[in-house]
Amino acid sequence: QSALTQPASVSGSPGQSITISCSGTSSDVGAYNYVSWYQQHPGKAPKLMIHDASNRPSGVSNRFSGSKSGNTASLTISGLQAEDEADYYCNSYTSSSTYVFGTGTKVTVL
Amino acid sequence: EVQLVESGGGLVQPGRSLRLSCAASGFTFGDYAMHWVRQAPGKGLEWVSGITWNSGSIAYADSMKGRFTISRDNAKNSLYLQMNSLRDEDTALYYCAKDIGLAEFRYLDYWGQGTLVTVSS
Repeated sequence: QSALTQPASVSGSPGQSITISCSGTSSDVGAYNYVSWYQQHPGKAPKLMIHDASNRPSGVSNRFSGSKSGNTASLTISGLQAEDEADYYCNSYTSSSTYVFGTGTKVTVL
Repeated sequence: EVQLVESGGGLVQPGRSLRLSCAASGFTFGDYAMHWVRQAPGKGLEWVSGITWNSGSIAYADSMKGRFTISRDNAKNSLYLQMNSLRDEDTALYYCAKDIGLAEFRYLDYWGQGTLVTVSS
């Protein structure tokens, strides 16, 4: 099972919006709505930000939103803030009844 | 409060074995699927293995099949990972993570802080 493809890095200025893509196949992202996104700050455990492609857990800022179209999922961060600087990973359930993570994206706030 | 505390990591020689444990509290452990996820130093997240609530369904990443065995003891609120024939590339921080699903995998809502496994001669 190959990792989902994410851009290595995305950057933006405070207040701007950025979008991180997560490209998979018809056997993972395209097959299920079980796509989730995780934020990881250095030295910390990952934190769930989006589940089921577009649902935000309670306690997560509404500046974070998710979507999915075909084999590609996306995470958008609006009103970028310094605290959003972190690594972000997508994850999908697969037709082999496994999980697969994305390659990860480092978000830099300029 | 949900807590997942991993243990059992350490320095091990290539070819040897290690057993990781994850102690869960703050939720009804037997009602959820559980997983192991690892992260090599400076690298991304890699899903290792998952197990449904009653151990009825178990899955592994291809590179771990045949070497790693996941198991759980619902009476002890514990998750385990038996790792055999360890290789240098198994060096990583191993996280225990809780799934929101019972008999299926949906997403990971809680993570432990991880236990470090270093494979080196």
